[in-house]
Amino acid sequence: QKEVEQNSGPLSVPEGAIASLNCTYSDRVSQSFFWYRQYSGKSPELIMSIYSNGDKEDGRFTAQLNKASQYVSLLIRDSQPSDSATYLCAVFRDDKIIFGKGTRLHILP
Amino acid sequence: DAGVIQSPRHEVTEMGQEVTLRCKPISGHDYLFWYRQTMMRGLELLIYFNNNVPIDDSGMPEDRFSAKMPNASFSTLKIQPSEPRDSAVYFCASSLSGRADNEQFFGPGTRLTVL
Repeated sequence: QKEVEQNSGPLSVPEGAIASLNCTYSDRVSQSFFWYRQYSGKSPELIMSIYSNGDKEDGRFTAQLNKASQYVSLLIRDSQPSDSATYLCAVFRDDKIIFGKGTRLHILP
Repeated sequence: DAGVIQSPRHEVTEMGQEVTLRCKPISGHDYLFWYRQTMMRGLELLIYFNNNVPIDDSGMPEDRFSAKMPNASFSTLKIQPSEPRDSAVYFCASSLSGRADNEQFFGPGTRLTVL
């Protein structure tokens, strides 16, 4: 089982709708969880971090963590064309960040 | 403020040649990470340094790869000899510390093509 798993997509969402991105991880000792956004041809950039069970909101973004189910998700409300990118889920353990392969999100105008 | 700087941005070389990638981390950051990204394998950690000392090189694919950090403001990743399967985008990232809540800042990457 891969350490961090994501559906590769593409996930197509109409503009203005909610985009829901999901991620599962295999190691229960993982301490912290991150979502990075990567535009085509660019480097990853951190958009959300979450450390405890529950929801964390930042603007149009909400990260959700369920450690019992080893599940992390990212919701993007009021999706915009500029949200079209690849979203990388990442977990932190033993001083290292381990990335999933990412989900490609396409916002339809 | 300048972010993480990488050079060259693009490198095309022939199989068997030596390739050297360079990175300048953000000033004051204690940690430096080298990643490789391909479609097949995603973003993989190759090696990371703390205060110029290599901490974990378990991600380095084989002996053809080596990395150094002679001082706090410079690191190199060397591939010798290069092979076509080394073609990828190589990212350098730095962070203020290895604490879980510290963000890693990525450089623009070096796109390596080995013919």
